[in-house]
Amino acid sequence: EAQVTQNPRYLITVTGKKLTVTCSQNMNHEYMSWYRQDPGLGLRQIYYSMNVEVTDKGDVPEGYKVSRKEKRNFPLILESPSPNQTSLYFCASRPGLADTGELFFGEGSRLTVL
Amino acid sequence: AQTVTQSQPEMSVQEAETVTLSCTYDTSESDYYLFWYKQPPSRQMILVIRQEAYKQQNATENRFSVNFQKAAKSFSLKISDSQLGDAAMYFCAYRSGTSGSRLTFGEGTQLTVNP
Repeated sequence: EAQVTQNPRYLITVTGKKLTVTCSQNMNHEYMSWYRQDPGLGLRQIYYSMNVEVTDKGDVPEGYKVSRKEKRNFPLILESPSPNQTSLYFCASRPGLADTGELFFGEGSRLTVL
Repeated sequence: AQTVTQSQPEMSVQEAETVTLSCTYDTSESDYYLFWYKQPPSRQMILVIRQEAYKQQNATENRFSVNFQKAAKSFSLKISDSQLGDAAMYFCAYRSGTSGSRLTFGEGTQLTVNP
């Protein structure tokens, strides 16, 4: 089954404790992206990657890092989480940057930073 | 920068009735794509319908259709014969046709379907 898998689905952590949210897709997609969803703000892009070793900032990259060492994986790293990073996070992918089709989303990761 | 605005934070509809969700956007581009996504309580983002800006014909997917007014930069979603399973958060989204690195989302509209 074609899918985008995120882990963990739920996480409660404390300020300053580094964490990683993993994202993996099994569709051989070149393009992957991370979004955060907050009430009244919709979804906002954090980072995206056009291919292996190619990443770029989205609209709200502060406090986040990403890496793309393999085509299928695109982890989101919070080096020192803060309460304002409490949010619902989505990983998404599609075949390529120029592809005009839909974006495939993971099931979301609910993160709470105390 | 492109912006997408959904001016209705909440809407409600009676089962079997029709409801229209509003979306406006701001862009200086002529080549772009517009989307409506549905997010049920499961949080999964589900593509409902998409529209290419160069197409004059409004997109339709079963009970879902759009009213695309390019000059007015308006992209509303009409849901006909509403069903209980249509209850969800609906997001309008914009994607540039030339620099398609991101989807720009609206704030969302929470749709309630009353039995």
